[in-house]
Amino acid sequence: DVKVTQSSRYLVKRTGEKVFLECVQDMDHENMFWYRQDPGLGLRLIYFSYDVKMKEKGDIPEGYSVSREKKERFSLILESASTNQTSMYLCASGRLSAKNIQYFGAGTRLSVL
Amino acid sequence: GEDVEQSLFLSVREGDSSVINCTYTDSSSTYLYWYKQEPGAGLQLLTYIFSNMDMKQDQRLTVLLNKKDKHLSLRIADTQTGDSAIYFCAESIGNSGYALNFGKGTSLLVTP
Repeated sequence: DVKVTQSSRYLVKRTGEKVFLECVQDMDHENMFWYRQDPGLGLRLIYFSYDVKMKEKGDIPEGYSVSREKKERFSLILESASTNQTSMYLCASGRLSAKNIQYFGAGTRLSVL
Repeated sequence: GEDVEQSLFLSVREGDSSVINCTYTDSSSTYLYWYKQEPGAGLQLLTYIFSNMDMKQDQRLTVLLNKKDKHLSLRIADTQTGDSAIYFCAESIGNSGYALNFGKGTSLLVTP
């Protein structure tokens, strides 16, 4: 079974803090993704990566950066957390293929106070 | 990008069939997907359909695809209380090769 593990289920941070969300997959997938999920807005793509050290902006990259130093790990960084970044963050991974199936982690619910 | 459209809520009685509808945007999408999200969890792939198919059946699940109208539906037969969840429709985005475009999700409530 594919396993996508997000390091924290719940996080509480203060405004202005630098926040790291970590995601690890164990299936040697080329592609990894970060989404945020908000009520009434569905899933919105923040960043994705198709290879080590490669990254592409999604629909809402402002206020975020990412790092992919190893194939299995994809980190989302909030440089200076703000209250409007309170959300559920979902990581996904997938193989580079025509089917493009994405496998999701359990999510990290981040509260910025 | 443009929105994948889904109705927000659906309520059915246990044992009835549920039909969740979706209108997608990209006529060049090669695959379309249904994901399920249970409370407090991530998304789980339920099924997917290749764009040259009209229908796909997998146990209690039936997916219908109308390419002309860009309409996708998911039918769950004999719906159970354990099927209560949010269901997301998603399309592969044309030439991107990577990203999926998700709908906002349909909350299915199954009552006894």
